[in-house]
Amino acid sequence: AQSVAQPEDQVNVAEGNPLTVKCTYSVSGNPYLFWYVQYPNRGLQFLLKYITGDNLVKGSYGFEAEFNKSQTSFHLKKPSALVSDSALYFCAVRMDSSYKLIFGSGTRLLVRP
Amino acid sequence: DVKVTQSSRYLVKRTGEKVFLECVQDMDHENMFWYRQDPGLGLRLIYFSYDVKMKEKGDIPEGYSVSREKKERFSLILESASTNQTSMYLCASSFLDIGYTFGSGTRLTVV
Repeated sequence: AQSVAQPEDQVNVAEGNPLTVKCTYSVSGNPYLFWYVQYPNRGLQFLLKYITGDNLVKGSYGFEAEFNKSQTSFHLKKPSALVSDSALYFCAVRMDSSYKLIFGSGTRLLVRP
Repeated sequence: DVKVTQSSRYLVKRTGEKVFLECVQDMDHENMFWYRQDPGLGLRLIYFSYDVKMKEKGDIPEGYSVSREKKERFSLILESASTNQTSMYLCASSFLDIGYTFGSGTRLTVV
């Protein structure tokens, strides 16, 4: 069965420090991987995606993610966190033959000043 | 930019009521989806549609139905609302590999 795991419910980081939000997946076939961000009482906003090609993907707001096939991971990273990055982050995976996205449980990022 | 509009941000309904949640997208996307979001559970797919009048069950379809009479509109129906359907409901649309575009969500409370 396809699944996505975000092992941390919350990540705390100081402003200016690098941040990592972890994601691992389990699918058969070629995965399409996504990161979304959700601010309070809002829908999800697209950050970045991996379909094929370069394993390092750059996205919105200075975020990037690295696809690691051997570790089945797609961790979200940013070199220098901002307080405004505080939000709920979701990793998602889709099979290349499917319309459906499967989401992780979400990780709350808290960036303290 | 693609826009996905959900008709209500907040709804309060009584147990047993029939509830309609409406979603409209303006970019001619083929695929539309309804998810519910609950703390600690992430987003769970209720139903999706890949064409007009076509629908498929997601992971948690029980207690819900959907309607897609026009390409731009995808409605979620709670046949008889129950308190365990209190949740945030998110509509999304997509086209090929562009990824999903989400609406702002409807927070439904069933009392």
